[in-house]
Amino acid sequence: GQQVMQIPQYQHVQEGEDFTTYCNSSTTLSNIQWYKQRPGGHPVFLIQLVKSGEVKKQKRLTFQFGEAKKNSSLHITATQTTDVGTYFCAGRTGTASKLTFGTGTRLQVTL
Amino acid sequence: GAVVSQHPSRVICKSGTSVKIECRSLDFQATTMFWYRQFPKQSLMLMATSNEGSKATYEQGVEKDKFLINHASLTLSTLTVTSAHPEDSSFYICSALRTSGNYEQYFGPGTRLTVT
Repeated sequence: GQQVMQIPQYQHVQEGEDFTTYCNSSTTLSNIQWYKQRPGGHPVFLIQLVKSGEVKKQKRLTFQFGEAKKNSSLHITATQTTDVGTYFCAGRTGTASKLTFGTGTRLQVTL
Repeated sequence: GAVVSQHPSRVICKSGTSVKIECRSLDFQATTMFWYRQFPKQSLMLMATSNEGSKATYEQGVEKDKFLINHASLTLSTLTVTSAHPEDSSFYICSALRTSGNYEQYFGPGTRLTVT
């Protein structure tokens, strides 16, 4: 079945440093979404990418969708302690409505 | 943004009993809802897709007779964990699919089930 892997599994940075998580799917995706889950909380939708090579920005967050639509990345510039949490990518294939979640990257930010 | 509620938020039950979890979309109608399970420090694993007015579609390895899903209205889906065992202890999260706009899934706050 479809697998979606993320690296790294965990990253600890100091506030102000940049952070990137990479997402790789075993199959071509029709679209990819990114979610953030704070400790003890539920996933919160961040963004959706649909087009090959698409790049979207939300303040300090930059999201990319690969040309082959099998990989994606999330880059955070100048991390803050409020960025702490686990970031999941989640992809859809074809016209299916269900999402397959990536393995997640847990981000820890310290002062 | 859209709101999805889950009830209860936490439940502790004895082994062998059944537990029902409710998932409601509060400000939009959802013909499709999803049920996920998340173990500590792990990703969300899709258990089943709940379709209003029809049978749920279960993922491979998920026992449909153990995890009963009912989606009787456009705003409510329920998951019943039957004859719960300690290994069923987990964080259960539902989401409702909004079919307008980005086809976003809005997640409920989750239900932490502990089976003793």
